[in-house]
Amino acid sequence: GAVVSQHPSWVICKSGTSVKIECRSLDFQATTMFWYRQFPKQSLMLMATSNEGSKATYEQGVEKDKFLINHASLTLSTLTVTSAHPEDSSFYICSAPPGNSNQPQHFGDGTRLSIL
Amino acid sequence: SQQGEEDPQALSIQEGENATMNCSYKTSINNLQWYRQNSGRGLVHLILIRSNEREKHSGRLRVTLDTSKKSSSLLITASRAADTASYFCAPANTGANSKLTFGKGITLSVRP
Repeated sequence: GAVVSQHPSWVICKSGTSVKIECRSLDFQATTMFWYRQFPKQSLMLMATSNEGSKATYEQGVEKDKFLINHASLTLSTLTVTSAHPEDSSFYICSAPPGNSNQPQHFGDGTRLSIL
Repeated sequence: SQQGEEDPQALSIQEGENATMNCSYKTSINNLQWYRQNSGRGLVHLILIRSNEREKHSGRLRVTLDTSKKSSSLLITASRAADTASYFCAPANTGANSKLTFGKGITLSVRP
């Protein structure tokens, strides 16, 4: 069964709206989670590392004021796309490492975001 | 973190044939992970192979790792139409929370 739950799986909203995406680790604690964005027929691009109890670390070129990340508990990280525009339309995926260097990361099932 | 470079970028085979996919990386690793992504879905973990392992099996999947050549391969035997997906390798450095970065992946099409 899924060990990382991502919600919602699909959202359509108007330009200017802020959208929150949740990523939950279901049966383990994750002090770190990762957020990726994927455009059609392209690879996953790492956006940021979410750190429980501290600020997120953003990859170069990712606007931290645009993509707000909150990791308030050991099982939940949220990504908020603020004032979303059509160019923010994409597939967003989160992942959580299990905390053991020889265990695979677990990925959520992704959120399809469409901004009209 | 480092990303793997998968090869070929696209592979089309007939159902029942074997599919071989390759991955190369640049610096030393702690382990290497293979993932599958079906269209519009998240990544599903397939196999993790540690740096001190040379070969690993899981059902119809066989992964090899050659650290001297900094390369890995994923073999899917007796392919099925349901194996149609994108496949990614992810070399992982030391550290339990090491971030993974991904290359372009391999698009596998298995014709019925």
